Amino acid sequence: TQLLEQSPQFLSIQEGENLTVYCNSSSVFSSLQWYRQEPGEGPVLLVTVVTGGEVKKLKRLTFQFGDARKDSSLHITAAQPGDTGLYLCAGENTGGFKTIFGAGTRLFVKA
Amino acid sequence: NAGVTQTPKFRILKIGQSMTLQCTQDMNHNYMYWYRQDPGMGLKLIYYSVGAGITDKGEVPNGYNVSRSTTEDFPLRLELAAPSQTSVYFCASNALTEAFFGQGTRLTVV
Repeated sequence: TQLLEQSPQFLSIQEGENLTVYCNSSSVFSSLQWYRQEPGEGPVLLVTVVTGGEVKKLKRLTFQFGDARKDSSLHITAAQPGDTGLYLCAGENTGGFKTIFGAGTRLFVKA
Repeated sequence: NAGVTQTPKFRILKIGQSMTLQCTQDMNHNYMYWYRQDPGMGLKLIYYSVGAGITDKGEVPNGYNVSRSTTEDFPLRLELAAPSQTSVYFCASNALTEAFFGQGTRLTVV
């Protein structure tokens, strides 16, 4: 069974601080996605990483896919209250049929 | 473009009742999924489908059934509702490496 573990589970920080959340697995994934979910809504895709070692930037967010395609990280620079939400990583298995989600990191950024 | 549409948005069921959660997508995606999300948690895969007429179990299929007679529709059936099925249910369709989600169905079983 493929499993994605996210850490930390909960993070509360002040506006302007930097943070990193992690997504780890013992399995290899063909691609990995990061989603952000706000209360009462479905998850919305932030980024997809496909190649081992790949780094993608989305404004203040930096995403990295591990060389072995088993793990990923999301780094937020100068966090803002608008970044508050549940951040989910999701992996596509090598067959490409199933998307498995981690339990998420709940981020709260205080003004 | 409506994307993925789920109905109903809210429902309260009594123990032992049955219901069908509806999901339809207008993006012509072959892959569709049902997830459940318990409070403060991530998403658990219930069932998925890789195309019309093809379905398979996910991580937590017990107590649920699905069908996929058309590309557009992927209903989820609860036959004998139990309190453990109280959750928010999300339907999604997948285009290569991105999943598009509906807004969810909040189900309470009492």
